[in-house]
Order: sequence, then structure tokens, then C-alpha cells
Amino acid sequence: AQSVAQPEDQVNVAEGNPLTVKCTYSVSGNPYLFWYVQYPNRGLQFLLKYITGDNLVKGSYGFEAEFNKSQTSFHLKKPSALVSDSALYFCAVRDRETGGGGNKLTFGTGTQLKVEL
Amino acid sequence: KAGVTQTPRYLIKTRGQQVTLSCSPISGHRSVSWYQQTPGQGLQFLFEYFSETQRNKGNFPGRFSGRQFSNSRSEMNVSTLELGDSALYLCASSTGDRAGTDTQYFGPGTRLTVL
Repeated sequence: AQSVAQPEDQVNVAEGNPLTVKCTYSVSGNPYLFWYVQYPNRGLQFLLKYITGDNLVKGSYGFEAEFNKSQTSFHLKKPSALVSDSALYFCAVRDRETGGGGNKLTFGTGTQLKVEL
Repeated sequence: KAGVTQTPRYLIKTRGQQVTLSCSPISGHRSVSWYQQTPGQGLQFLFEYFSETQRNKGNFPGRFSGRQFSNSRSEMNVSTLELGDSALYLCASSTGDRAGTDTQYFGPGTRLTVL
């Protein structure tokens, strides 16, 4: 079975400092990995995805993620955090075991990011 | 393009009742997936519909069912509601690319409270 782990329930960072939200994965075969963000009482907003190609993926709102196959990680990063980045972040992996296509995402438990002035 | 819409946004039901939630995908998207989000279990996949057929199913009891119409709109039904069904139900749409490289875009969710 495929899975992702987000080892930190909460990450605190000062505004203007770089931020990292960690994600590790366990899959058979090549992974399709995603990051989403959720603001209070809202759905999930797509940030970025890794399918293949460059290990550094650039996404929305200045976020990027680095795919590391040897460490089975897909950490989310931003060079300079904003207070408005405070939200719940989810890493997800596409389940490719079902075959014939299919859109089952398996999510991590989420990491609450708090950016303070 | 308009995003994914879900109705209603909030629902309050009592145990034993049934409920139907609706999801309208982004125009042109043929795949609709449903997820349940709770504080205890996190985000869990319920099922996916593509071209009016269920393509994937998660590990939920048969009380949870869904369907998709020819215009790709989808409904989810929960029968004989239990207190544990209280959750945010999220719908996501995508093109349904068989290679699995497409992106799922989520709606705002329906908050279901079971009393």
C-alpha cells in the first residue's frame, strides 16, 4: 500500500524566514506526489505536484518542493514566509496500484504552519 | 472557469436519517472523487466516478454510495446516519487522465453534523 508521512504536526516560523514542511513517502514504483493547502472552513487548494522530470518543482504562491528519491522525501519549501501562509498543509500520493487510471489520493495527516510576525 | 461547487455547504441531520450531497465539477472534467475529512481519521478517500461509472472505492461501509450523471455532476448519499459520520465531505474533480498525471481540484466541502 502507498502512504505518506508528515512527521511534524506543527511548524512555527517567523515572517521573512524560509520555511520547510516535511513529507516522506512509501510507494511501489514511481510516485506521483502532491501538495495541498487548507485554510479554515475551506476546501483544499492545489499547490504543486511531482510527476516526473526535474526534482525541484515550482508551484503557486512562491512555494516549491524538492523530490528526493534516495530519501523518499518531497519537502515543501518557501524562501520567505508570509503571515498569510499560515494554514494546514497536506502531502498526498496518487494510488497507482488500482490500475486503469484512477484518482485515489492518499493523504498525510497534515502539518499546521504558523507564521508569526 | 468556475471552480468545483458543492451544495449544501452545511447540513444538520439526526441519527438514522439519510442525506444527499451534490457536487458540480469544473467544466470539462469527467472525474469526480469524494473524500471524508475528520479530526480523528484525517482525509480518507470514499470513491471516484468517471463517465458515470465508479472507478475506485475506498474502505467505507455500503451506507455510503454515490452516482454520477451524464453532465459529470455527482451526488453522494449516506443512509442510516451515525454520529461518526459527522465530517467535512470534500468533492474533487479532474480530467480523469488514465495515466494518473492530472490534478484534482477540490470544492469548499459540505459540513455534515449528525446529532
